[in-house]
Amino acid sequence: QQQVKQSPQSLIVQKGGIPIINCAYENTAFDYFPWYQQFPGKGPALLIAIRPDVSEKKEGRFTISFNKSAKQFSLHIMDSQPGDSATYFCAAGIQGAQKLVFGQGTRLTINP
Amino acid sequence: SQTIHQWPATLVQPVGSPLSLECTVEGTSNPNLYWYRQAAGRGLQLLFYSVGIGQISSEVPQNLSASRPQDRQFILSSKKLLLSDSGFYLCAWSVPWQGGDYGYTFGSGTRLTVV
Repeated sequence: QQQVKQSPQSLIVQKGGIPIINCAYENTAFDYFPWYQQFPGKGPALLIAIRPDVSEKKEGRFTISFNKSAKQFSLHIMDSQPGDSATYFCAAGIQGAQKLVFGQGTRLTINP
Repeated sequence: SQTIHQWPATLVQPVGSPLSLECTVEGTSNPNLYWYRQAAGRGLQLLFYSVGIGQISSEVPQNLSASRPQDRQFILSSKKLLLSDSGFYLCAWSVPWQGGDYGYTFGSGTRLTVV
């Protein structure tokens, strides 16, 4: 119930392509879905987040798509660049709760 | 502005030795504090979290303990390290969500190698 399942584990895309990372959850009480980006040797950093009252949110080249009925959400990176190579984590939380539940992470490589 | 400090950045310790990792937060009061461990190429494993001084919740039974002696200080300890304690340790903080974007702010991590 508390799990967030993330796929794929790793992803290799050519520069300019659109990598897509998917996450699924079971707990319908989740009402906040952030994505984190982690570069090697660094802590994760909040990238973009969405709440279930919207189906899509864009910030620059990053887009979250949210499907409430399917209990799925995904991250798309438009015009991907080698600098986007990092590990991406999805997460889910409940307003007022003490902690987020993280997916297992996706290691993304953008080849030049 | 809020900042989080975590040290040391890297640490090599022999098996059986003690451990103390420290994390401090600046610019906020009464934060929620978290310790995570990340094994190589793996996800984030929540070890401990704290909602106040002296209040510690343990997520995974193990060889580690945590303490919060001050509002913005969180310490991860072990009396005797095991090889399996090796990993990347991350401290994070958050404040209770009141709308808008919400998330953890992570420190820069400590790479612990037990030899």
